[in-house]
Amino acid sequence: GEDVEQSLFLSVREGDSSVINCTYTDSSSTYLYWYKQEPGAGLQLLTYIFSNMDMKQDQRLTVLLNKKDKHLSLRIADTQTGDSAIYFCADLLYGQNFVFGPGTRLSVLP
Amino acid sequence: ETGVTQSPTHLIKTRGQQVTLRCSSQSGHNTVSWYQQALGQGPQFIFQYYREEENGRGNFPPRFSGLQFPNYSSELNVNALELDDSALYLCASSSGTGFYEQYFGPGTRLTVT
Repeated sequence: GEDVEQSLFLSVREGDSSVINCTYTDSSSTYLYWYKQEPGAGLQLLTYIFSNMDMKQDQRLTVLLNKKDKHLSLRIADTQTGDSAIYFCADLLYGQNFVFGPGTRLSVLP
Repeated sequence: ETGVTQSPTHLIKTRGQQVTLRCSSQSGHNTVSWYQQALGQGPQFIFQYYREEENGRGNFPPRFSGLQFPNYSSELNVNALELDDSALYLCASSSGTGFYEQYFGPGTRLTVT
């Protein structure tokens, strides 16, 4: 089955850029997603990218997709303390099965 | 516009019991998906309902079942609860089949003792 992997922890200083990485194994992805989860809360959709795109920018967020290496990244510019959360990447396979990674806990230090 | 709501917020059940969790979809959405999120892990897809029919299922046993009602709200039922069923159960709503823009509720925390 599909495996979606992420590094578990990332610490950055306030004002710096954060880059959260994700790798996946199945080449039949249609869309790839980034979600944010704050403590005790559900998941908030941040952005998503269609599998035939290389890059998508949305305000402070930049998503890069390397299909050859099956690598997805989320860059957050000018990271703020309010960005501290767990970030999940997720892979939509064949439009039918949604597979999440284990999540990356982002800590923003003042 | 009303977001996705879930009830109850927390629930404690005993092994072997049955539980029903509820979800109201966001206004205008006709699809509901359910996920199980164990502590420290990413959510795992249980199943999806579109216009009252099951429209896809993850790797969960038949004791996990669901319903969707004409107003597109949904229930998740779990029979014969096991200790490993302890988790946060999330529902997400979207428009149409598939998962393209899903909006999640806050979840129901189920503890099985």
